[in-house]
Amino acid sequence: AQSVTQLGSHVSVSEGALVLLRCNYSSSVPPYLFWYVQYPNQGLQLLLKYTSAATLVKGINGFEAEFKKSETSFHLTKPSAHMSDAAEYFCAVSDQDSSASKIIFGSGTRLSIRP
Amino acid sequence: DTGVSQDPRHKITKRGQNVTFRCDPISEHNRLYWYRQTLGQGPEFLTYFQNEAQLEKSRLLSDRFSAERPKGSFSTLEIQRTEQGDSAMYLCASSLVPGAAFFGQGTRLTVV
Repeated sequence: AQSVTQLGSHVSVSEGALVLLRCNYSSSVPPYLFWYVQYPNQGLQLLLKYTSAATLVKGINGFEAEFKKSETSFHLTKPSAHMSDAAEYFCAVSDQDSSASKIIFGSGTRLSIRP
Repeated sequence: DTGVSQDPRHKITKRGQNVTFRCDPISEHNRLYWYRQTLGQGPEFLTYFQNEAQLEKSRLLSDRFSAERPKGSFSTLEIQRTEQGDSAMYLCASSLVPGAAFFGQGTRLTVV
C-alpha cells in the first residue's frame, strides 16, 4: 500500500525566507510523486510532479522538490517566500502502473507567511 | 476548455435523502477520480475510472455510495440515505497521465 506523511501540519516563515515543506512516502513499487497547492476557496492545483526522469523537479511559482530514494523523501522548497505563497500544500503519491493509478494524498501542510 | 466542472457547487440536504453530484472532466482525459475532503484533512480517495470502467473503489466507502461514468465522459456520484458524517467537500479530478490530475472546484455537501 502507498502512503505519504507530511511532517508539520503548519509551517510559518517570514517573507523572503526559505520555505521547506517535508514529505516522506511509502511505496512497494516505483512511485510517481506530486505536490499540490490549494489556495483559500480554490480547487487543488498541481505544483510539480516526479515521474522518474530527473530527481530534482522544478514546478510553478519558483517551487522545486527533490526525490531521494534512500530517504524516501520528496521535500518541497522555495528559496524566498512570497506573501502569495500562503496556502495549503499536499504531497501525493501514485503508482507508476498506469492501470492502477489512484492518487493518495497526505494530510497537508498549511504555509503561513509573516510580513 | 474550462477545466473540470462540478455541479452543484453547494448542496444542503436532510438526513436520509439521496443526493447526486455531477462531474464533467477535461474532454480528452480518460482518467477520472472522486475524492472527499473534510476541514483540515487531505483529499480522501473514493473511486477511480479509466474511461467508463470503474477500476477501484475505496474499501472505506459504504454501499450507500455509487459512482458511474457512462460512455467514459461525465461522471455522477450518488449518496443514498445521507448521514451527517457525509458532510464534506466532494472533489472530482481528471487526468491524461497517472497522477497529474486537474481538480474541479468541488461540491460542498451539508447534511442537516
